[in-house]
Amino acid sequence: DIQMTQSPYTLSASVGDRVTITCRASQSISRWLAWHQQKPGKAPKLLIYDASTLKSGVPSRFSGSGSGTEFTLTISSLQPDDFATYYCQQYYSYWTFGQGTKVEIK
Amino acid sequence: ELQLEQSGAEVKKPGDSLKISCKGSGYSFSSYWIGWVRQMPGKGLELLGIIFPADSDTRSSPSFQGQVTISADKSISTAYLQWSSLKASDTGMYYCARQDGAGYFDLWGQGTLVTVSS
Repeated sequence: DIQMTQSPYTLSASVGDRVTITCRASQSISRWLAWHQQKPGKAPKLLIYDASTLKSGVPSRFSGSGSGTEFTLTISSLQPDDFATYYCQQYYSYWTFGQGTKVEIK
Repeated sequence: ELQLEQSGAEVKKPGDSLKISCKGSGYSFSSYWIGWVRQMPGKGLELLGIIFPADSDTRSSPSFQGQVTISADKSISTAYLQWSSLKASDTGMYYCARQDGAGYFDLWGQGTLVTVSS
């Protein structure tokens, strides 16, 4: 099984901050990686797929990069609506999620 | 409108059976894989398995094989997740999600909360 490890586990930030979340795969997954956002009490929502393609309607302050085993999700200027938990998901070989990164208010 | 509508919250006792549902609308339900994802209280997302409604081809995650049954009825655009004998450790939120052809989950249901308690 491919293991996905996110860091940090929790991130404290302020509105306007630039935020970066890292996701590492236990083996190369090319660019077969998605990012999902989950707000408390809500279902996850897809933000990015194929490592860097923004889903239609997702604000441009979100961006993704990486390939192989290391990937990043960046929020260029954190907005109040962005405080949530973010999950990476690989789909290179079967499907696994990272453990999540909670972005909380500093 | 594209959506996956899940059945309502359930409260069951250990040993009970349960079947929850996920109805798709706004797209060709048979043409996309549907996955079931568990989220235990305060925890992350775990894939239980996926099903292709057109022919009910099913792939189960090794960790959950034999613990749940995934099925679908394409005639009513509905996928199901079933337990024959619930345990307290099955308590959690269960999401269905549509899988894009590439493999990422691009549309999520609202979730079904399952509580198993004596």
